[in-house]
Amino acid sequence: DGGITQSPKYLFRKEGQNVTLSCEQNLNHDAMYWYRQDPGQGLRLIYYSQIVNDFQKGDIAEGYSVSREKKESFPLTVTSAQKNPTAFYLCASSSTGTGKETQYFGPGTRLLVL
Amino acid sequence: AQKVTQAQTEISVVEKEDVTLDCVYETRDTTYYLFWYKQPPSGELVFLIRRNSFDEQNEISGRYSWNFQKSTSSFNFTITASQVVDSAVYFCALSGSNAGNMLTFGGGTRLMVKP
Repeated sequence: DGGITQSPKYLFRKEGQNVTLSCEQNLNHDAMYWYRQDPGQGLRLIYYSQIVNDFQKGDIAEGYSVSREKKESFPLTVTSAQKNPTAFYLCASSSTGTGKETQYFGPGTRLLVL
Repeated sequence: AQKVTQAQTEISVVEKEDVTLDCVYETRDTTYYLFWYKQPPSGELVFLIRRNSFDEQNEISGRYSWNFQKSTSSFNFTITASQVVDSAVYFCALSGSNAGNMLTFGGGTRLMVKP
């Protein structure tokens, strides 16, 4: 089945710890995205990548880092510099990054701080 | 900058009622795309519809219908004969070259359908 997978479903972070959220897609999409959703709020863009080995900051990139070494994978690292990381993180992909294509979303990862 | 406003934060209806979710947008682009997504309690966003700015025809898909009006910058979503399974958060979103072709989401409307 084609789709987007995210792991883990739940992730716990201790203070000062970096954690990495996984996102994989087998849709052969060029563009991939990371969003953050806080309770009762809409989605905000963290990072996006329109092609392998290239990515750009979104609206709230501070405290996060990404890599795009393979077309299928776009992992997000939440660093210790992110002071309020508790949120729901959604990964998405689209065939290109032109804006007219639909973005399809994964099931999300819920990050909690211990 | 572009903006999407969903003024209704929460709507509660009884099963079989019709319900309309409002979406108003702002953009300086002449070419743009509007989307609706459904977020059930599981959390995953499910794509419902995409509409480009040159196509003002209303669309119907089963119990769902969408009313796009450029004159009022609105893209409203109506569910006819609502069902409990329609309970979810619904997001309206906009993309256009003015914001680097990135999606701008509204704050979402939580729909609760009671039996």
